[in-house]
Amino acid sequence: DGGITQSPKYLFRKEGQNVTLSCEQNLNHDAMYWYRQDPGQGLRLIYYSQIVNDFQKGDIAEGYSVSREKKESFPLTVTSAQKNPTAFYLCASSLQGYNQPQHFGDGTRLSIL
Amino acid sequence: QQQVKQSPQSLIVQKGGISIINCAYENTAFDYFPWYQQFPGKGPALLIAIRPDVSEKKEGRFTISFNKSAKQFSLHIMDSQPGDSATYFCAASGGYKLSFGAGTTVTVRA
Repeated sequence: DGGITQSPKYLFRKEGQNVTLSCEQNLNHDAMYWYRQDPGQGLRLIYYSQIVNDFQKGDIAEGYSVSREKKESFPLTVTSAQKNPTAFYLCASSLQGYNQPQHFGDGTRLSIL
Repeated sequence: QQQVKQSPQSLIVQKGGISIINCAYENTAFDYFPWYQQFPGKGPALLIAIRPDVSEKKEGRFTISFNKSAKQFSLHIMDSQPGDSATYFCAASGGYKLSFGAGTTVTVRA
């Protein structure tokens, strides 16, 4: 079955640590996205990538970094510079182009110890 | 600031009733309006989407109404079922980026 796999489902971080969230898709989609979801705030875009080796900042990129070395993978690193990292992180993918439907993974919940 | 305003924050409806969720936007460059359904612990799933060249789109029990002049759109869930209990998000896009509303939690009472 084609889909988006996010791992791990739960992640705990100590203060001052960087952590990397995994996102893999086998939908053969060119575009991939990272969102952050907080209660009562909907989804906010962190980074997005339309093609391999290229990505752009979203609305809340500070304290996060990404890479896009392979079409099927778009890992997100939450750095120690992100002061409030506790949230539900969602990865999505779509065909490349204007206004393409986005398909989501089941998320990673990150908590601070 | 939030580019898409969604209301209500939550609603409770009896089985068989109609759920109505409203969204409003300001950016006239938006030209794609999807709705997503999310169950607890899961990612959002695309439910239905509309483009501004139509005023209404229906898929099964779900209908989107779109009012371009008022910059508003709404989701109607007809004959609501307990399995429809979820959080619903409206969104809008004018290119590669989706702007989401804050979400509406719908509870359908049996």
